[in-house]
Amino acid sequence: DAGITQSPRYKITETGRQVTLMCHQTWSHSYMFWYRQDLGHGLRLIYYSAAADITDKGEVPDGYVVSRSKTENFPLTLESATRSQTSVYFCASSESGPGLGASADTQYFGPGTRLTVL
Amino acid sequence: QKEVEQDPGPLSVPEGAIVSLNCTYSNSAFQYFMWYRQYSRKGPELLMYTYSSGNKEDGRFTAQVDKSSKYISLFIRDSQPSDSATYLCAMSAYGTYKYIFGTGTRLKVLA
Repeated sequence: DAGITQSPRYKITETGRQVTLMCHQTWSHSYMFWYRQDLGHGLRLIYYSAAADITDKGEVPDGYVVSRSKTENFPLTLESATRSQTSVYFCASSESGPGLGASADTQYFGPGTRLTVL
Repeated sequence: QKEVEQDPGPLSVPEGAIVSLNCTYSNSAFQYFMWYRQYSRKGPELLMYTYSSGNKEDGRFTAQVDKSSKYISLFIRDSQPSDSATYLCAMSAYGTYKYIFGTGTRLKVLA
């Protein structure tokens, strides 16, 4: 019962490089989310996906790309990493969209990926 | 002005104290209110989920929502050192996937 996993847990890269952060969930949840967490800003939504092949932008999508070819995976790619993308990235999933009750739309978070861009 | 405001702390209390954590918000459309606990270098985990106004109790934790004042609280009774963590409030409106998070309050319970 792995739940939701993220890899790598730690990553150091250089400005301009492409980086992909992986997220995998074993619950077959429909919704998946990517957040970044920065001091003073809390958690900010980057992208979300309502189902396989359906994705949409969140609050801070610039510089990021997502895909969702399979329900269980939701990779996040930084196409050309910048120092401002140094952050802790969290993936989350929920069974359904909002408004259907705690068990259905609760977002469950992965352990995070700590990314440093030099 | 941020949609959700939360005092960052840190808040230090002795073991056994009652802790009160709070968030204020500006969007009257919010109807779902959550409290997450986040230990250092871990992902947030859901503690409490409430809908609309009122109180909800779960063990030592009580969540309170006052929609008229746009104010939510989390009370922790008989606080323990294991409660030391960052507590995040989150809110959403009906029909939207978006959770809006507070910046978190760091709590330290001293043994």
